[in-house]
Amino acid sequence: DQQVKQNSPSLSVQEGRISILNCDYTNSMFDYFLWYKKYPAEGPTFLISISSIKDKNEDGRFTVFLNKSAKHLSLHIVPSQPGDSAVYFCAASAQWNNDMRFGAGTRLTVKP
Amino acid sequence: NAGVTQTPKFQVLKTGQSMTLQCAQDMNHEYMSWYRQDPGMGLRLIHYSVGAGITDQGEVPNGYNVSRSTTEDFPLRLLSAAPSQTSVYFCASSADGNSGNTIYFGEGSWLTVV
Repeated sequence: DQQVKQNSPSLSVQEGRISILNCDYTNSMFDYFLWYKKYPAEGPTFLISISSIKDKNEDGRFTVFLNKSAKHLSLHIVPSQPGDSAVYFCAASAQWNNDMRFGAGTRLTVKP
Repeated sequence: NAGVTQTPKFQVLKTGQSMTLQCAQDMNHEYMSWYRQDPGMGLRLIHYSVGAGITDQGEVPNGYNVSRSTTEDFPLRLLSAAPSQTSVYFCASSADGNSGNTIYFGEGSWLTVV
């Protein structure tokens, strides 16, 4: 069972506009959420995270929003740049748990 | 600044063959893990280790063995390769396995079983 779901396999946006990537989860025990970015032929790299005690975390152009009641989180990229084109994975884990679950990924394409 | 190093990067195996994917990290991380990435499935945890001498199963452990004799190394063994094990494999490490610690990934190993 996929406990973390990214229902949009791909997203295309214009340079300078906002990119919004969505993620839903089913396990109410998850309390820590991360976004990873992956370029072709490379391993995923950590982008931004949020714990369940917050509903927003911002780092430069990247902001992650968490809606615990809806079991939903989103990643906003503003403004989007062509270098942001990559696959973005949402991940979640429960405190003190070594089992991190990943979504299937969303391929973001930012057009110049 | 090596980080997490995986070898080989590409491998083709025949059904029934065995092989070992190597993984090493130079960050003195206690926690290491192996994931596989398949289309539409994201990254799935195969096995993990919270320290030398300790290993445990993840979400999809069948057909794989691991050992952790040193802090630095965490090899993944395919005992008898099957076409269903065709995938991209990522080794990862973090300071410990608790949530809140960033996981660092290797560059991946592309395995094809024919």
